[in-house]
Amino acid sequence: DAGVTQSPTHLIKTRGQQVTLRCSPISGHKSVSWYQQVLGQGPQFIFQYYEKEERGRGNFPDRFSARQFPNYSSELNVNALLLGDSALYLCASSLEGREWSAGGYTFGSGTRLTVV
Amino acid sequence: AQSVTQLGSHVSVSEGALVLLRCNYSSSVPPYLFWYVQYPNQGLQLLLKYTSAATLVKGINGFEAEFKKSETSFHLTKPSAHMRDAAEYFCAVSVHGSSNTGKLIFGQGTTLQVKP
Repeated sequence: DAGVTQSPTHLIKTRGQQVTLRCSPISGHKSVSWYQQVLGQGPQFIFQYYEKEERGRGNFPDRFSARQFPNYSSELNVNALLLGDSALYLCASSLEGREWSAGGYTFGSGTRLTVV
Repeated sequence: AQSVTQLGSHVSVSEGALVLLRCNYSSSVPPYLFWYVQYPNQGLQLLLKYTSAATLVKGINGFEAEFKKSETSFHLTKPSAHMRDAAEYFCAVSVHGSSNTGKLIFGQGTTLQVKP
């Protein structure tokens, strides 16, 4: 079985540009979460989606947005990029989004975004 | 509000020595706690989890952790370090909201170096 797939693996953008990151969850998983991991820090929660609806949002500016498609894949969009947005963006999928008791989140390998 | 503190951003041990990575948590409700490992240029892999069952939790690769409520700790240990254990380790606590929601709050991470 394929795991959580993220694309692209790396990209470089210029300040002020916009970027779209993509995530395909494990087959059958209906929930996708996004995390930002700045170099040297732990991941920080950005969004969670379940059944195409936003179920949670972290403390990030409105420049960050996301959506989930009928096939449960997801996109994370970041507008007006800042140097501080440079980070590893991780996607995690789970069956129903509430497997906090089971730790049932599977993470992808991430997209490394560099803003110059 | 839940939070996690990892004591020591960098731990160095000799191959074959005991590994001890420290994690303290803060939670207003009974916590669910996790340890994840991250190898270079990869996503997060779940090592083990505590979900209010046995306080001594055994995980993959010979790691285990003990939940101590009185000390609000969840330290990760391994009796004998191997070179392949060199990685970044993250302690996390789950925040569970309404149905189909949940997120992880991560500590800052501890880099484990294993010397030959």
